[in-house]
Amino acid sequence: GENVEQHPSTLSVQEGDSAVIKCTYSDSASNYFPWYKQELGKRPQLIIDIRSNVGEKKDQRIAVTLNKTAKHFSLHITETQPEDSAVYFCAASDSGNTPLVFGKGTRLSVIA
Amino acid sequence: DTGVSQNPRHKITKRGQNVTFRCDPISEHNRLYWYRQTLGQGPEFLTYFQNEAQLEKSRLLSDRFSAERPKGSFSTLEIQRTEQGDSAMYLCASSSWDRGYNEQFFGPGTRLTVL
Repeated sequence: GENVEQHPSTLSVQEGDSAVIKCTYSDSASNYFPWYKQELGKRPQLIIDIRSNVGEKKDQRIAVTLNKTAKHFSLHITETQPEDSAVYFCAASDSGNTPLVFGKGTRLSVIA
Repeated sequence: DTGVSQNPRHKITKRGQNVTFRCDPISEHNRLYWYRQTLGQGPEFLTYFQNEAQLEKSRLLSDRFSAERPKGSFSTLEIQRTEQGDSAMYLCASSSWDRGYNEQFFGPGTRLTVL
């Protein structure tokens, strides 16, 4: 079955700097790669996703890149703000309507 | 609130007792998922439904766990003879397959503590 590895497990950045979180997956049948943000005590919320026919997607300060050959994808957050502090999870599935396999999460701290 | 809702939000029980959780998905969503999340880990898939049909169960789902979605709307997850290892956050999510929109929307979760 699918296995998703996520790095780093914790990340501290200064406000205004960029943050990068990387994930690798094992199943070449995976075609959908969402990123969820989970604040303490709250539900996971989708922040961006990418499908396998796209190499990069951007939404304001957030971007995701996908390399299907190497089976890895990354989340990039630019101009970080304190409200970006949360746990971020990457996930993979063959489509968004099938069970997601999640990474273990990255705890991002943005220091003001 | 038109999002996914879950009840109860917290449940404390003694080992050996049975517990049942409820999930109400977004009304037009026909796919419903159950995940379990332990501290410091990502959500792990348990089972999911298309309307009332249970499509897949994870090997994580022991015989003590049962889930149903009798009318294709809300779903229940029951754990029989709870064990301390069952302590976790149980998350429900839903998505709309017919519309081809893939995002899974999560509920707030039910936090289970087994004493």
